[in-house]
Amino acid sequence: KAGVTQTPRYLIKTRGQQVTLSCSPISGHRSVSWYQQTPGQGLQFLFEYFSETQRNKGNFPGRFSGRQFSNSRSEMNVSTLELGDSALYLCASSLEAANTEAFFGQGTRLTVV
Amino acid sequence: DAKTTQPTSMDCAEGRAANLPCNHSTISGNEYVYWYRQIHSQGPQYIIHGLKNNETNEMASLIITEDRKSSTLILPHATLRDTAVYYCIALNAGNNRKLIWGLGTSLAVNP
Repeated sequence: KAGVTQTPRYLIKTRGQQVTLSCSPISGHRSVSWYQQTPGQGLQFLFEYFSETQRNKGNFPGRFSGRQFSNSRSEMNVSTLELGDSALYLCASSLEAANTEAFFGQGTRLTVV
Repeated sequence: DAKTTQPTSMDCAEGRAANLPCNHSTISGNEYVYWYRQIHSQGPQYIIHGLKNNETNEMASLIITEDRKSSTLILPHATLRDTAVYYCIALNAGNNRKLIWGLGTSLAVNP
């Protein structure tokens, strides 16, 4: 059974640009969550999608958005990139939306220059 | 979600048990305690979770105090590959999947 796949693994963008990251969950999993990880802040929750609907949202500005497709694949978009957006972006998939273990992908390392 | 507190770092000798503590004094009755670990350059990996009873699986054991205000993750025979950052988090049992992560405990297993 394939794990959670995130693409691309590494990305370099310049300030002001926008970026789209992709996450393919484990087959059969309907919940996808996104996290930002930086050295000083640890993991911070961005948002969660379940059956194409955003169920939860963290405390991030509107420049951060996401969506989920009917096949449960998810994308997150960051517009007007800032230097502080440089981070490891992690995607996690779960079978259901509550109280089940989450399986994480390897992450996308975004560097904004 | 309840806040959790963990020591910043710990050391353990290879082959010995690693006992990682976690404080969650404000945990509510419907919040589970979850443990994940993150090995360098990888995504976090689920280890174990529990509500109030002690739990054991092939990776670790989870001991939760009777008042549920703290717990301990036990790796019975630590190996070098267990060197990682270990996260203890409290997760509501309802439909709230939002997880609050701290900075975890950096465990170094030494030969």
